Amino acid sequence: DTAVSQTPKYLVTQMGNDKSIKCEQNLGHDTMYWYKQDSKKFLKIMFSYNNKELIINETVPNRFSPKSPDKAHLNLHINSLELGDSAVYFCASSLVPGTGIDEQYFGPGTRLTVT
Amino acid sequence: GENVEQHPSTLSVQEGDSAVIKCTYSDSASNYFPWYKQELGKRPQLIIDIRSNVGEKKDQRIAVTLNKTAKHFSLHITETQPEDSAVYFCAASIREYGNKLVFGAGTILRVKS
Repeated sequence: DTAVSQTPKYLVTQMGNDKSIKCEQNLGHDTMYWYKQDSKKFLKIMFSYNNKELIINETVPNRFSPKSPDKAHLNLHINSLELGDSAVYFCASSLVPGTGIDEQYFGPGTRLTVT
Repeated sequence: GENVEQHPSTLSVQEGDSAVIKCTYSDSASNYFPWYKQELGKRPQLIIDIRSNVGEKKDQRIAVTLNKTAKHFSLHITETQPEDSAVYFCAASIREYGNKLVFGAGTILRVKS
């Protein structure tokens, strides 16, 4: 009964490749997020979707493209991978902002290593 | 945009002592302040949060205080135990604007037994 799941857990790939990370939540939440945690452990939001609609889009290279086929799924596709993309990518979900229940639940993370 | 600063970056305490981690934020519109604990190789997990209409909140050995005027908030852990050792992150957001969490840089807490 995993709340927020991500696949794959580990991803090792070469520069220039294209890869995708998938996220699913079974909490009935409306809002999903992608965060990037770099080698210094700094956590930074990348994107957020509310019921399949993009609501937060930080200054992320356009090589990164999120897609939400439905409100339970949020995928992240990365084109032309670069060394600097190596990081742990966390998916998270929450209820609709402003409902009074604000907790964001994080997935287990995907460790991406670009060689 | 919002900027969150967190201090100290590392903190070592003896088991049973208290630990305090402090954060400041820049955007006076921020109204939600969660604290996350992240163990090595694991996901961040919410341990306590506070909204701007509350000055203090406690949950067993953990408490958070918020000073809106000074724009800072603190995490207090009493009677620390070895299993409290982890990285702790503070964050701030405006709940109504997509609840975009802006995180502090994290504090590595080591509890020595």
